[in-house]
Amino acid sequence: AQKVTQAQTEISVVEKEDVTLDCVYETRDTTYYLFWYKQPPSGELVFLIRRNSFDEQNEISGRYSWNFQKSTSSFNFTITASQVVDSAVYFCALSENAGNMLTFGGGTRLMVKP
Amino acid sequence: GAGVSQSPSNKVTEKGKDVELRCDPISGHTALYWYRQRLGQGLEFLIYFQGNSAPDKSGLPSDRFSAERTGESVSTLTIQRTQQEDSAVYLCASSLAVRPEQFFGPGTRLTVL
Repeated sequence: AQKVTQAQTEISVVEKEDVTLDCVYETRDTTYYLFWYKQPPSGELVFLIRRNSFDEQNEISGRYSWNFQKSTSSFNFTITASQVVDSAVYFCALSENAGNMLTFGGGTRLMVKP
Repeated sequence: GAGVSQSPSNKVTEKGKDVELRCDPISGHTALYWYRQRLGQGLEFLIYFQGNSAPDKSGLPSDRFSAERTGESVSTLTIQRTQQEDSAVYLCASSLAVRPEQFFGPGTRLTVL
């Protein structure tokens, strides 16, 4: 069975601070995919990134970066120089194959204050 | 191009009534998924379609829930004899068959009084 844990339910930072959202996963499969989604107050889930289990290279996209470590089963997400518009609930998710269901973590609510 | 669309955006119903929720996937996406999000919680998987067949119905919470899909197009999620615990946002997502990332619609907020 798969499981995704986001231990931080809520984080509050002041604008321009860096913040890291933690994600730990469990799966028995050797091939799997990890995702991060953003859910702003409007409610619509926005796809941010997908990583394949066989590719541990970290990725940076603007102020966003992701650190995938198979040894610790973690896929953490860092926002550098946070902005008020980053305020949202962020979900980490796992799927075992293309075309399979996503298993979501409970989400981390990020509040960025001006 | 157009994203996933869902209708209605909001539905208020009385306990015991049946409801139908609709999802239009992104054109060309053969896979379609339904999830439920209760207030303040994560997403629970309900059902998945590949084309118009449903290989995974494992998440449907009871036999009051059913879903169908016409070809590789519209899907309808039906909840019969609604209960208050069915109140949630119902989210639909679609993906290409060979790519794992799913793209979500805006959801239908269901309130059962």
